[in-house]
Amino acid sequence: DAGITQSPRHKVTETGTPVTLRCHQTENHRYMYWYRQDPGHGLRLIHYSYGVKDTDKGEVSDGYSVSRSKTEDFLLTLESATSSQTSVYFCAIGYSNQPQHFGDGTRLSIL
Amino acid sequence: QQQVKQSPQSLIVQKGGISIINCAYENTAFDYFPWYQQFPGKGPALLIAIRPDVSEKKEGRFTISFNKSAKQFSLHIMDSQPGDSATYFCAASGGGGADGLTFGKGTHLIIQP
Repeated sequence: DAGITQSPRHKVTETGTPVTLRCHQTENHRYMYWYRQDPGHGLRLIHYSYGVKDTDKGEVSDGYSVSRSKTEDFLLTLESATSSQTSVYFCAIGYSNQPQHFGDGTRLSIL
Repeated sequence: QQQVKQSPQSLIVQKGGISIINCAYENTAFDYFPWYQQFPGKGPALLIAIRPDVSEKKEGRFTISFNKSAKQFSLHIMDSQPGDSATYFCAASGGGGADGLTFGKGTHLIIQP
């Protein structure tokens, strides 16, 4: 398995609270991605990073921010969580037109 | 606007049969078409991928067929086994950027013993 660790693996929180999810890689890969997976929607890109401090928005970026201060870590933050952000979040590494490898996800429930 | 349409949503196949999942795309800039397999509680795992310069790619029991003119590609699983029961996603990317994959909505495949 590619060296990708997501934390936490499960989290339950309340509407309006801030939440930060972490993705840690040991592959020294330049490109990292955050996706969310919802029933009936497949996986949708939230944000991606093409280097330290270099990030850009994906298809469903509203309500999310990201940061990448080190090659190995890519953080996803929900500034004020809403129930619509209840989802499973996946981190991936790899260039977009080459094999991407995914972590095992974070299941986030917002009550 | 959904750029990658996947069908069927669910599929039941008898052990030993052929499983076929289809995808269609709209963006002609796409130049990389992977298929992912996902088991419950795990992340998607790359199964097989194809680029538009070939019409077919085979790896073991898994084959991708690609029709550039129709903007369609499909996954064939030969001699389907109960262990193949999973959710399968097609995806596409391209245009020279680093902006991630566009996924289909997924197919839940059940192989009956």
